[in-house]
Amino acid sequence: NAGVTQTPKFQVLKTGQSMTLQCAQDMNHNSMYWYRQDPGMGLRLIYYSASEGTTDKGEVPNGYNVSRLNKREFSLRLESAAPSQTSVYFCASSESRGGGQTGELFFGEGSRLTVL
Amino acid sequence: LAKTTQPISMDSYEGQEVNITCSHNNIATNDYITWYQQFPSQGPRFIIQGYKTKVTNEVASLFIPADRKSSTLSLPRVSLSDTAVYYCLRGRRALTFGSGTRLQVQP
Repeated sequence: NAGVTQTPKFQVLKTGQSMTLQCAQDMNHNSMYWYRQDPGMGLRLIYYSASEGTTDKGEVPNGYNVSRLNKREFSLRLESAAPSQTSVYFCASSESRGGGQTGELFFGEGSRLTVL
Repeated sequence: LAKTTQPISMDSYEGQEVNITCSHNNIATNDYITWYQQFPSQGPRFIIQGYKTKVTNEVASLFIPADRKSSTLSLPRVSLSDTAVYYCLRGRRALTFGSGTRLQVQP
């Protein structure tokens, strides 16, 4: 099992360019998440998807869009990249347990994005 | 979104027990408390999860008092490899990490 796979691992963009970060998980998890982490800071939730077909905003959704393509895949799109979006982006997935409890988060290796 | 408060940093020495406390005053009835560890350039890794009282696994213990307004992660006999950032999370779906606690273990 590969777990959570993110592509690309590295990307350099110019201001105003668009791109999509891809994430796929092979653990049959219901929930998927996108986080960003700036240097020396904690992770901030951008968007999450509690189940296939649903997406919800997190702490910092502005400037991003997401698509839960199917149960396996959850993509993050930057329509018009800005230098403030320079960060490391982590995708994660988890199973949903009874009573609304979220199981262990499994993370990808991260995608390092630089916007010039 | 659910918020937690932790100390920014802690220092310890090898072989000591380390206790990191997290405050979550407005925790909801159904929220679980989960702790993660993160090394530089890696995604966070699950350590332990609990709802109340005490939970123990092979790497840590988690203590949650009856009012559930705080929780304490206990790392027994830390080593240099435990130097990392530790995050306390609460909630069910929109899981937010906060700033975490930077633990530095000295020889």
